Amino acid sequence: EVQLMESGGGLVQPGGSLTLSCEASGSTFSSYAMGWVRQAPGKGLEWVSVTYTPGSNIQYADSVQGRFTISRDKSTNRLFLQMNSLRAEDTALYYCANIPLARGGAFDMWGQGTMVTVSS
Amino acid sequence: EIVMTQSPATLSMSPGERATLSCRASQNVNANLAWYQKKPGQGPRLLIYGASTRATGIPARFSGSGSGTEFTLTISSLQSEDFAIYYCQHYNNWPPMTFGQGTKLEIK
Repeated sequence: EVQLMESGGGLVQPGGSLTLSCEASGSTFSSYAMGWVRQAPGKGLEWVSVTYTPGSNIQYADSVQGRFTISRDKSTNRLFLQMNSLRAEDTALYYCANIPLARGGAFDMWGQGTMVTVSS
Repeated sequence: EIVMTQSPATLSMSPGERATLSCRASQNVNANLAWYQKKPGQGPRLLIYGASTRATGIPARFSGSGSGTEFTLTISSLQSEDFAIYYCQHYNNWPPMTFGQGTKLEIK
């Protein structure tokens, strides 16, 4: 079983940058894909980005395309989300989650989340 | 983009009752549908994937059904720990994968 722990959240001004990290432990070899999902205060879940094999394919939601960059370091079992040009609407609790091949495209295990607040 | 619509927005029920939550996709997603449970202060928990397969460790009182555009999550006999927000998510030809807006299951 995979365990995930996010870090790197905080308060940042509009237009600023922040990098989130997600450390994976346990049966990480079973993670076909890894992704980020966020939840704005009082809102529902929103898929943000995913990286998946083969070929380390990457996709982003339209709302973050061109501003966010997802990356994965398999040697350290870490997933990252580089966030640039942050906006107030990016304020949310950010979760990382894994997708084992056996789950199709369902997010199997989730972290506890890290909070990002964009405000002046 | 496929839009996922959940109903009702809020469901008020008592422990021991049977709960039925609905999820509709704006296009055919085959059986590529998952259900999650979300409680305050916790990450989401995968309940069902493939529209009807229970995830590891999920009690048998949770069941999923449907295919195409109409899906249902049924909780056969509500326990106190089941009161939470439930989300459906499609992953047909993912990415992208979109979530419904959620159904809040509250104690009556």
